[in-house]
Amino acid sequence: QKEVEQDPGPLSVPEGAIVSLNCTYSNSAFQYFMWYRQYSRKGPELLMYTYSSGNKEDGRFTAQVDKSSKYISLFIRDSQPSDSATYLCAMSKSSGTYKYIFGTGTRLKVLA
Amino acid sequence: DTEVTQTPKHLVMGMTNKKSLKCEQHMGHRAMYWYKQKAKKPPELMFVYSYEKLSINESVPSRFSPECPNSSLLNLHLHALQPEDSALYLCASSPSGSPTSTDTQYFGPGTRLTVL
Repeated sequence: QKEVEQDPGPLSVPEGAIVSLNCTYSNSAFQYFMWYRQYSRKGPELLMYTYSSGNKEDGRFTAQVDKSSKYISLFIRDSQPSDSATYLCAMSKSSGTYKYIFGTGTRLKVLA
Repeated sequence: DTEVTQTPKHLVMGMTNKKSLKCEQHMGHRAMYWYKQKAKKPPELMFVYSYEKLSINESVPSRFSPECPNSSLLNLHLHALQPEDSALYLCASSPSGSPTSTDTQYFGPGTRLTVL
């Protein structure tokens, strides 16, 4: 079993839809959670990070962490064609480490 | 300046060539990273430097040789690569020189390497 599971997609939605992207993890030592957006042939861009359970909102993006279920989500409201990209979840453990564990990424297509 | 820059953007090299990738950040970050990313896969950690010293080497073949000349600059020297080394090479940096669980990594745009 992988430490982090993420549906690879592709996920196709119409413009304006609410998008839900998810990752599950198996190790309760993960304490810090990130979402990155990666356009084709570009480097990952940090979208959201959170250290605790609950919701964190930034514009059209909401990150949600449920540590009891070992489940994290990224919601995108009013999705735009420019949101079409691969979304990577990443997490790290509470003990001092540089190492992120990445999900495989979900490819999202927002159709105009 | 809030970005990580990488040069070149694209590189094509033969298996006998020697080339170098360059990464620069001016955010005062004390940890810098090299990742390798194959198509449709997540980034794989290769090396971590903290306070300009090699902190992590993820069992990377010796044909990849990292160098950190100063706190803003990170190089990856390439020699005798194989076609399977073709990938997007990403540099990242994070603020703290000591590993912390809340230290966020910021990525550069990457160098797309093709080995013929």
